[in-house]
Amino acid sequence: EEQLVESGGGLVAPGESLRLSCAVSGFPFDKVWLSWVRQTPEKGLEWVGRIKSQTDGGTTDYAAPVKGRFFISRDDSENTLYLQMDSLKTEDTAVYYCTKISRFGEFSDYWGQGTPVTVSS
Amino acid sequence: DIQMTQSPSSVSASVGDRITITCRASQGISTWLAWYQQKPGKAPKILISRASNLQGGVPSRFSGSGSGTEFTLTISSLQPEDFATYYCQQAYSLPFTFGGGTKVETK
Repeated sequence: EEQLVESGGGLVAPGESLRLSCAVSGFPFDKVWLSWVRQTPEKGLEWVGRIKSQTDGGTTDYAAPVKGRFFISRDDSENTLYLQMDSLKTEDTAVYYCTKISRFGEFSDYWGQGTPVTVSS
Repeated sequence: DIQMTQSPSSVSASVGDRITITCRASQGISTWLAWYQQKPGKAPKILISRASNLQGGVPSRFSGSGSGTEFTLTISSLQPEDFATYYCQQAYSLPFTFGGGTKVETK
């Protein structure tokens, strides 16, 4: 069964760091592209960034609001995706989803259940 | 960035109704568009990709059409489990932006 399970969310103060993890199963992990999407009631769904498979270069792309502060990585030996979030701001407060990207276009065809991140003093 | 604008933002409907949701892109995106359904407390679920390709397991009452800048999601006969919020997303160019959502509510 295809499954993505996020963990690592919580409450942090502005300026601090947090690392989210996403355990992936049911897919050939080393072949899939993966992304992070976040959601708030105010802004709705917001694409955060994605990482290609190592076969396709393992490169990353990020949305402008997080570029230079957030870093996506993957451990193919552990079937795990990561989102390192540094210099957190209050506006990063959201539910964070990891998603698997379809082979037929950069659509998210599988989603995790989400993990909430609150940035507040 | 490509802006995605959905309308209406909410619609009140009854079981059996036919509803149509529109998504407009600020520039042409060919057919690089997906539709998602989200229920409260759950992750979004993909319904349609490439503007009109129904994903496996999605009921045939859902259909999508359009290309370029204007797209529609139609539910031909609304069922109780279809009351949810629907989002479009463009996958044409980075960053992959979403529409603001359309909430389908009970009339």
